[in-house]
Amino acid sequence: NAGVTQTPKFQVLKTGQSMTLQCAQDMNHEYMSWYRQDPGMGLRLIHYSVGAGITDQGEVPNGYNVSRSTTEDFPLRLLSAAPSQTSVYFCASSQGRSYNEQFFGPGTRLTVL
Amino acid sequence: GENVEQHPSTLSVQEGDSAVIKCTYSDSASNYFPWYKQELGKRPQLIIDIRSNVGEKKDQRIAVTLNKTAKHFSLHITETQPEDSAVYFCAASRGDTGRRALTFGSGTRLQVQP
Repeated sequence: NAGVTQTPKFQVLKTGQSMTLQCAQDMNHEYMSWYRQDPGMGLRLIHYSVGAGITDQGEVPNGYNVSRSTTEDFPLRLLSAAPSQTSVYFCASSQGRSYNEQFFGPGTRLTVL
Repeated sequence: GENVEQHPSTLSVQEGDSAVIKCTYSDSASNYFPWYKQELGKRPQLIIDIRSNVGEKKDQRIAVTLNKTAKHFSLHITETQPEDSAVYFCAASRGDTGRRALTFGSGTRLQVQP
């Protein structure tokens, strides 16, 4: 199993550009989520999904869109990049039952100029 | 929503000493409390977790205690080793709900001096 994979590993954007961060898992996990990590602030939830076709907002959803058309994939779209979105983005997944460990992907380091 | 506070932000100990990191949470409905270790440039990885129906859990040199009345939980690392040096995050969630989202503390940078 590859676990949770994310692409790209690094990305530089100009203000106003759009892009999609990819996340995939091969563990048949129902629950997937996106976090951003900023220095000194821990990880903050952007969006999450409890299954294919179901998504919801987290703590900091503004400027981001998600969709979940398959169990495996959960892409994160930046609609119009802003310097405030410079961060490290982590995707995570867990099995459908409660209290299960969330497995994190390797992260994408995004810089918006 | 949930708010998790974590202290201290940095902690330096001598090899072989114990380290304690403390977290408080605000949502009395939270019932799942994991701890993650993150090495520089790497992803967070779960090291131990506890549910609200127990007060303490141990795994070799690592233990977590939970006080639901006071709404705080702590990570204890005994006999620290240089490889324990990393950033540690506590988190809380309502694990029995569909949302299952983790609210993280701001992290503790642990440095174990050889």
